[in-house]
Amino acid sequence: DAGVTQSPTHLIKTRGQQVTLRCSPKSGHDTVSWYQQALGQGPQFIFQYYEEEERQRGNFPDRFSGHQFPNYSSELNVNALLLGDSALYLCASSLGEVPQPQHFGDGTRLSIL
Amino acid sequence: GQSLEQPSEVTAVEGAIVQINCTYQTSGFYGLSWYQQHDGGAPTFLSYNALDGLEETGRFSSFLSRSDSYGYLLLQELQMKDSASYFCAVITGGSYIPTFGRGTSLIVHP
Repeated sequence: DAGVTQSPTHLIKTRGQQVTLRCSPKSGHDTVSWYQQALGQGPQFIFQYYEEEERQRGNFPDRFSGHQFPNYSSELNVNALLLGDSALYLCASSLGEVPQPQHFGDGTRLSIL
Repeated sequence: GQSLEQPSEVTAVEGAIVQINCTYQTSGFYGLSWYQQHDGGAPTFLSYNALDGLEETGRFSSFLSRSDSYGYLLLQELQMKDSASYFCAVITGGSYIPTFGRGTSLIVHP
């Protein structure tokens, strides 16, 4: 039973570039959430996708966008990268809408130079 | 808004018991979760409390007092592998999105 998988594991970009991160949810899960975790901080909620639509969004600018595909996998896109976007980006999957444990992937470490 | 407070660091010795506290301020409180994260790894779900009282799962227990806006994670028979960061996360009704605290780094010494 595959857990949550994310790619790539590490990425280095420069300011102003764009990046796409990918996530495959745990088998049987239909909801995908994305989080940003800065060093020494807890994960901060970016947005959540369900049935291929953005269902909820945290306090992040429009430079952060996403997509969910019919197979429930998801992408996170960040445009016009800033130095402050350097962080660990975590994908979490769950089943349905009621509070369920979030199953996290190992994340993508994004470094902006 | 929401706020969560937990200690930044706790140290203990192998075999001991340690308690990590979490206090929160939020509207629409629904429940409190705990996650463990080893360096460079994925956060792993440990427990969830929606009602007052103690929930026990093996060596780990979690407690919630809704009237005091307070919870704690209790780790017994500490092992070296328990060295990790522990996050409390508040769940609010309607969104059901967890809001995480800044985490507590637990260091277990031999």
